[in-house]
Amino acid sequence: KQEVTQIPAALSVPEGENLVLNCSFTDSAIYNLQWFRQDPGKGLTSLLLIQSSQREQTSGRLNASLDKSSGRSTLYIAASQPGDSATYLCAVNNYGQNFVFGPGTRLSVLP
Amino acid sequence: SAVISQKPSRDICQRGTSLTIQCQVDSQVTMMFWYRQQPGQSLTLIATANQGSEATYESGFVIDKFPISRPNLTFSTLTVSNMSPEDSSIYLCSVARTGAYNEQFFGPGTRLTVL
Repeated sequence: KQEVTQIPAALSVPEGENLVLNCSFTDSAIYNLQWFRQDPGKGLTSLLLIQSSQREQTSGRLNASLDKSSGRSTLYIAASQPGDSATYLCAVNNYGQNFVFGPGTRLSVLP
Repeated sequence: SAVISQKPSRDICQRGTSLTIQCQVDSQVTMMFWYRQQPGQSLTLIATANQGSEATYESGFVIDKFPISRPNLTFSTLTVSNMSPEDSSIYLCSVARTGAYNEQFFGPGTRLTVL
């Protein structure tokens, strides 16, 4: 059974810092991995999708990497801004199975 | 991407009543899912809504408590039946297309409070 963990659970940084969020999964036979952002009381916004054959994806200040063999993905946020404050969730999709979500990392970027 | 709307956006209900949540997508999609997010928790999959057949429920969720309909490829409903305060959560609808690496998109969610 796939299990997904995220470290750290919470993170507070000053504006302008670069930061890394971590996602680990136990079953490396994944189809894809997706990173989401969730603002308080809201739905999820898709940030990046990494297919199993890819090693990284980039969108603006965001870069997500995938290392299937070690069961890890990282989300790198460059030059953080207060508007980046949110909870970041990773979700893993195994072949023929449904998505499994991690518990999330709550990010606060201080002005 | 897909544009997904949910109704209602929030509701406050009395114990023992039922609430039906609607999910509408702006285009036909293969897969639709219903999730629950309890306060301070991550997402838990309730069921996959199958068009034209019964939904597929995850362990711990049953049809009598969470009946689901999916009459076509753009619409689904989730009913939370005989509610108790433990059902207070955000309920989220999501969609994914096969052939698009199963990328998921989420609706804005329905915040339910049961008194």
